[in-house]
Amino acid sequence: GDSVTQMEGPVTLSEEAFLTINCTYTATGYPSLFWYVQYPGEGLQLLLKATKADDKGSNKGFEATYRKETTSFHLEKGSVQVSDSAVYFCALKGRTGGFKTIFGAGTRLFVKA
Amino acid sequence: EAGVAQSPRYKIIEKRQSVAFWCNPISGHATLYWYQQILGQGPKLLIQFQNNGVVDDSQLPKDRFSAERLKGVDSTLKIQPAKLEDSAVYLCASSLEWGAEAFFGQGTRLTVV
Repeated sequence: GDSVTQMEGPVTLSEEAFLTINCTYTATGYPSLFWYVQYPGEGLQLLLKATKADDKGSNKGFEATYRKETTSFHLEKGSVQVSDSAVYFCALKGRTGGFKTIFGAGTRLFVKA
Repeated sequence: EAGVAQSPRYKIIEKRQSVAFWCNPISGHATLYWYQQILGQGPKLLIQFQNNGVVDDSQLPKDRFSAERLKGVDSTLKIQPAKLEDSAVYLCASSLEWGAEAFFGQGTRLTVV
């Protein structure tokens, strides 16, 4: 079945460092891909999405590109801030999965001042 | 626009007791999801409704979990009797239609002692 694998955390960075969180997926066909963020004590929020190959999703300085050839959707940010400290979830939604959102295990990010 | 509302935010019960969670989706959203998020893991879909019909309940432990969505709007998720391993955050989400972007509530944190 469909699945998502993302890099284990926690990831600890200093403020203004470059961030990459790796995400790869397994799915039949062409799923939509998402990054969700969960700040401490809050619910899941959609951070960005891409619905077809080579699309780039972007929001709040974060970017991710849908790479079908490598089945990847890595999250990047050029300069992280303390306020970016959260748990980041990669997810997919596809026809073969009945359009339910399937999540990776999450990657916790700590940003130090 | 109001988001997905869930209550209660927190619940502590003893094992073998019963508990119920309530969810009010975004107005007009036909699809409603219940997810279970165990600490350190990504959310796992328990059940998906399309209006008041069940689309997918393949991962719902039906011997103890039940859910309903009367009138295709609000939904309740019940656990009876609870086990220690049911301790988790229960997330409700809704989307405009099957396959569209899902919006999440803040969740109910359940602790079974």
